[in-house]
Amino acid sequence: GQQLNQSPQSMFIQEGEDVSMNCTSSSIFNTWLWYKQDPGEGPVLLIALYKAGELTSNGRLTAQFGITRKDSFLNISASIPSDVGIYFCAGRVISNNNDMRFGAGTRLTVKP
Amino acid sequence: DVKVTQSSRYLVKRTGEKVFLECVQDMDHENMFWYRQDPGLGLRLIYFSYDVKMKEKGDIPEGYSVSREKKERFSLILESASTNQTSMYLCASSTQTGVNNSPLHFGNGTRLTVT
Repeated sequence: GQQLNQSPQSMFIQEGEDVSMNCTSSSIFNTWLWYKQDPGEGPVLLIALYKAGELTSNGRLTAQFGITRKDSFLNISASIPSDVGIYFCAGRVISNNNDMRFGAGTRLTVKP
Repeated sequence: DVKVTQSSRYLVKRTGEKVFLECVQDMDHENMFWYRQDPGLGLRLIYFSYDVKMKEKGDIPEGYSVSREKKERFSLILESASTNQTSMYLCASSTQTGVNNSPLHFGNGTRLTVT
């Protein structure tokens, strides 16, 4: 099935900088999720979004469900070294509650 | 907190071997999933199950089968392992919440190497 377009693929930033990544799809979604995966671990849920236009924060993380239902972004403010990891977006297709699509991930490196 | 436990973190198997990957969740979730994760390809769904003894093919079911005899346990079976099945395997579970399913909760993964 069609996966999501996630960008950028990787980012190298300085500690303290803000980060933004996004996902787009050709399908309409009823759910957008953002996960973080540390090396050798499974993905951990960061933020879940259920309504078009919804803007949700979790500490220094902020994510939005796009108005068109076809995109979402994740922002990380004032990055710290432990933010290092791979961030995945996931979306649930509106026509099928069990059809979850994933982005290929954004690999974030934070330099102290 | 939801806990999804995969029985092995690392496995090394030979080509042609039968391989079992086990996954257990402790939150009475109806839905369970098996994904594989490969660099540049993201997560791809192999099989999922929305009830005991029920199973549905995902995007890449070829070469795999599954078993869901109990609600908390979902097993992935490689009948005859091949080198192209070397990958990270992730189990996940979710529950029905209103008209939607809850977010997926993942296990820590099993890194399988087939030699």
